[in-house]
Amino acid sequence: EDQVTQSPEALRLQEGESSSLNCSYTVSGLRGLFWYRQDPGKGPEFLFTLYSAGEEKEKERLKATLTKKESFLHITAPKPEDSATYLCAVQASGGANSKLTFGKGITLSVRP
Amino acid sequence: DAGITQSPRHKVTETGTPVTLRCHQTENHRYMYWYRQDPGHGLRLIHYSYGVKDTDKGEVSDGYSVSRSKTEDFLLTLESATSSQTSVYFCAITGLADNEQFFGPGTRLTVL
Repeated sequence: EDQVTQSPEALRLQEGESSSLNCSYTVSGLRGLFWYRQDPGKGPEFLFTLYSAGEEKEKERLKATLTKKESFLHITAPKPEDSATYLCAVQASGGANSKLTFGKGITLSVRP
Repeated sequence: DAGITQSPRHKVTETGTPVTLRCHQTENHRYMYWYRQDPGHGLRLIHYSYGVKDTDKGEVSDGYSVSRSKTEDFLLTLESATSSQTSVYFCAITGLADNEQFFGPGTRLTVL
């Protein structure tokens, strides 16, 4: 059974204080690992897809990295508008198309 | 914006009544999904569709049925709502890359 564990559950940062969010996973062959951002009362917003160990992707203050067992979402010099819940999901290869297994999310709060 | 709308956005109903939630997409995507999101759980897949009249169960399908008579519409029905089905329901579609899923704005359902 595919599993995704995200840590910590919640993270409070001061504006400008860089940090990382962790996503550990077990999957029977990884097809893709996905990061989403979710604001309160809204649907998840797609951020990144990572396909293989060593891959990195960046968007503004966010950088996602991938190893064979975990992914990190690095946040550099965060701003209050980066406050949100960040979701990680994995997709196994060989299974029915595009079914994702999600973690419970990490709630990030950035204080001005 | 993946052109996904959900209706209604909020609904309060009583135990034992039937409820139908609608997901509408405007971009002719083949795959559509219904998830529920609850505190302490990640997003969990209820049902998904891989084409008109083609549907399959997800991990939490008990008590739910779906129908897809047109490419653009995917309906989720609770035949007899229970309090355990109080949740936020999200519809999603698979994007052009056939991997990333894009989510609608959600429906908040309360079963009293």
